[in-house]
Amino acid sequence: AQKVTQAQTEISVVEKEDVTLDCVYETRDTTYYLFWYKQPPSGELVFLIRRNSFDEQNEISGRYSWNFQKSTSSFNFTITASQVVDSAVYFCALDAYSGAGSYQLTFGKGTKLSVIP
Amino acid sequence: EAGVTQFPSHSVIEKGQTVTLRCDPISGHDNLYWYRRVMGKEIKFLLHFVKESKQDESGMPNNRFLAERTGGTYSTLKVQPAELEDSGVYFCASSTGGGPKNEKLFFGSGTQLSVL
Repeated sequence: AQKVTQAQTEISVVEKEDVTLDCVYETRDTTYYLFWYKQPPSGELVFLIRRNSFDEQNEISGRYSWNFQKSTSSFNFTITASQVVDSAVYFCALDAYSGAGSYQLTFGKGTKLSVIP
Repeated sequence: EAGVTQFPSHSVIEKGQTVTLRCDPISGHDNLYWYRRVMGKEIKFLLHFVKESKQDESGMPNNRFLAERTGGTYSTLKVQPAELEDSGVYFCASSTGGGPKNEKLFFGSGTQLSVL
């Protein structure tokens, strides 16, 4: 069975502060994929990043960075110098590749981030 | 380019009634998925179409739910009869295929279903 835990239900930060969203996952599969999605107030889920289980390199994209650590089964997401536009619900998700070409994602409950001007 | 479109955005019905949700995927996307988020819980997979065929429907909760994708274009998800526990947000997503290894999943804004 797969499980994703996002322990932080809601976080509030003041604009320009850095913030880290935690994600811990459980899976018995050796090949799997981890994702982060952003859900702005408009409702759609927006893809942010995919990381496969064999690639533990951290990634940076502008103000966003991701820290993947297999040893602790964590895939944390950091926003540097947060902005009001970063306010959204952020979901971490896991998919163990079934070979059937199917995205059966297991999501965490999400973390609601509020950036206060 | 238009994204994944879902209709209606909100639906309020009474227990026992029927509701049909619609999803229009991105043009050219053969893969279409339905997910659901019940209040306070995680977003959960319901089913996956490849063109008009059901590739994986292991997440469908029971036989009150019927999904179709005639012609391999848009999809409908019918709930009949609706129960209180069916309330939640129903998301549709589409992709060009290949699974999580290669492809990005594009989600719609969801349909908020409230069963009273």
